[in-house]
Amino acid sequence: EAGVAQSPRYKIIEKRQSVAFWCNPISGHATLYWYQQILGQGPKLLIQFQNNGVVDDSQLPKDRFSAERLKGVDSTLKIQPAKLEDSAVYLCASSYDRDRGHHEQFFGPGTRLTVL
Amino acid sequence: GEDVEQSLFLSVREGDSSVINCTYTDSSSTYLYWYKQEPGAGLQLLTYIFSNMDMKQDQRLTVLLNKKDKHLSLRIADTQTGDSAIYFCAERDDYKLSFGAGTTVTVRA
Repeated sequence: EAGVAQSPRYKIIEKRQSVAFWCNPISGHATLYWYQQILGQGPKLLIQFQNNGVVDDSQLPKDRFSAERLKGVDSTLKIQPAKLEDSAVYLCASSYDRDRGHHEQFFGPGTRLTVL
Repeated sequence: GEDVEQSLFLSVREGDSSVINCTYTDSSSTYLYWYKQEPGAGLQLLTYIFSNMDMKQDQRLTVLLNKKDKHLSLRIADTQTGDSAIYFCAERDDYKLSFGAGTTVTVRA
């Protein structure tokens, strides 16, 4: 079974620029998560989708971050405009179906963002 | 609360057992997890334990849960160089995972 795919793997931008990350979850997984992992810290949940609906975006800085999951499969996370403190690894994860008790989350390799 | 705390570093000799400790605060957590992260990679789920259990064994891994003290531990038997990584403890409450900062395990020959 193919794992969670993310691209790009690395991105370097200047502050105030925009950036977008892409995630393709494991086939058939209904639940998709985006996490931010700052160096030296554990991942922090930004947003959670169930199919193509948002179920939790309480930790998403909505003034600059946005995410969508059209057709309930792939997802994109965008930052516009980026700040220095957005430098982090952005991890995408998926699980089969949280509403049916499938709780194991499988993570992609992440996108490492550096904001200069 | 959703605070998960772990010690930051652990050094262990190859062949010895490693014990990584974690404390959490949310008594309503349903599942507790251990993830492994190698350099440049995402998180790999190692094992998990349901909150009504106190022990789970899976090959070289043993998870102990003390729900009264909100303490979780991961024991790795016969630690190998390939076990060098960052280990994250996480608790789940209402579909949300909260992670600790991770314990960096270094295996020395």
